[in-house]
Amino acid sequence: GAVVSQHPSWVICKSGTSVKIECRSLDFQATTMFWYRQFPKQSLMLMATSNEGSKATYEQGVEKDKFLINHASLTLSTLTVTSAHPEDSSFYICSAGGGNNQPQHFGDGTRLSIL
Amino acid sequence: LAKTTQPISMDSYEGQEVNITCSHNNIATNDYITWYQQFPSQGPRFIIQGYKTKVKNEVASLFIPADRKSSTLSLPRVSLSDTAVYYCLVALNRDDKIIFGKGTRLHILP
Repeated sequence: GAVVSQHPSWVICKSGTSVKIECRSLDFQATTMFWYRQFPKQSLMLMATSNEGSKATYEQGVEKDKFLINHASLTLSTLTVTSAHPEDSSFYICSAGGGNNQPQHFGDGTRLSIL
Repeated sequence: LAKTTQPISMDSYEGQEVNITCSHNNIATNDYITWYQQFPSQGPRFIIQGYKTKVKNEVASLFIPADRKSSTLSLPRVSLSDTAVYYCLVALNRDDKIIFGKGTRLHILP
């Protein structure tokens, strides 16, 4: 079945550092990918829609200059958390569609911890 | 985007059948209903998807009444490893953005 891969699975870094997370569709092409953030004991919160070859669409309240999204190819979208601070610590998850009338598939997430 | 409502939590015992019902009163004509399972520190995993009536696969069944305003995920003979959060989602197709509800936290007891 369709597989979505995220890298890294976890990252710990100092405050002020920029962190890049990759999301790849391994066996299908994805013109659209989605990025979510999840805090402990809470549901997934959609951050933005990543569109191949064009600008991402951000949900209300999500800072586009803070969370940079690049979708340069049909199999790769990246999320860069710029100048990360402790409040950015969270679990970040991406998803991509698997085909017509097929469900979206999710990556295994990236645990980001900012010290 | 159709809003979904599920019970916040459920408890059951190993070997029992578990049914989780989701309400989606404003589902659109072309929307599909999809259920996902999520374990801690993992991404959601697809369980089953349907449009109407009944769908069954190797892990679950999905019952959808004629009006499609609700759906029921049925897990036969659950085990401890089925302890997870289950999300009911409604979307048109693969490129639709999905808004997650709170999900149902299922706790299986020995």
